[in-house]
Amino acid sequence: SQTIHQWPATLVQPVGSPLSLECTVEGTSNPNLYWYRQAAGRGLQLLFYSVGIGQISSEVPQNLSASRPQDRQFILSSKKLLLSDSGFYLCAWNLRGLSEKLFFGSGTQLSVL
Amino acid sequence: SQQGEEDPQALSIQEGENATMNCSYKTSINNLQWYRQNSGRGLVHLILIRSNEREKHSGRLRVTLDTSKKSSSLLITASRAADTASYFCASNYGGSQGNLIFGKGTKLSVKP
Repeated sequence: SQTIHQWPATLVQPVGSPLSLECTVEGTSNPNLYWYRQAAGRGLQLLFYSVGIGQISSEVPQNLSASRPQDRQFILSSKKLLLSDSGFYLCAWNLRGLSEKLFFGSGTQLSVL
Repeated sequence: SQQGEEDPQALSIQEGENATMNCSYKTSINNLQWYRQNSGRGLVHLILIRSNEREKHSGRLRVTLDTSKKSSSLLITASRAADTASYFCASNYGGSQGNLIFGKGTKLSVKP
């Protein structure tokens, strides 16, 4: 069966520090991979999605970047965090070629202080 | 913005009652999906209804879609305390893989 792992669950970082959040998927090949951000009490904002290794599409210009070094690995990064980067970050996947349901990770609560 | 909107933003009911949440979207869709999120957790897919479907059932869930009004509703029958969560609709506009637009959610509280 397919599983998605996202870590860490909670992260507190000072302003100006770097960020690296990792997400891996098991039990499937060639997934579409997504990073979403959820501000408190708000819906989900799509940040990045990837349909293959090295292929990254950015939906919102911001202080963040994403990379996909392996088929089932998706990384969200920042060189210098801003206060506005605080939020709940969710990784998700679905099957390539289908705009069907998403499977989400358990999320990372990021607090930038 | 293409973002959908759920209504109400918050809903509080007693166990055993039905809960109805509504969602509106702005342009033509391929399908509409409903997700559930427990506090501090990831989202879990509940049900998907395609643009050519009008109603769909899954257990205690009933989803309707009215494409003429660009709206959908999620009904949870005989609610339980364990149904307490936030519920999100997501509109799929087709095209590129990134075209799944989430609403802001309805926070449902079911009191025992």
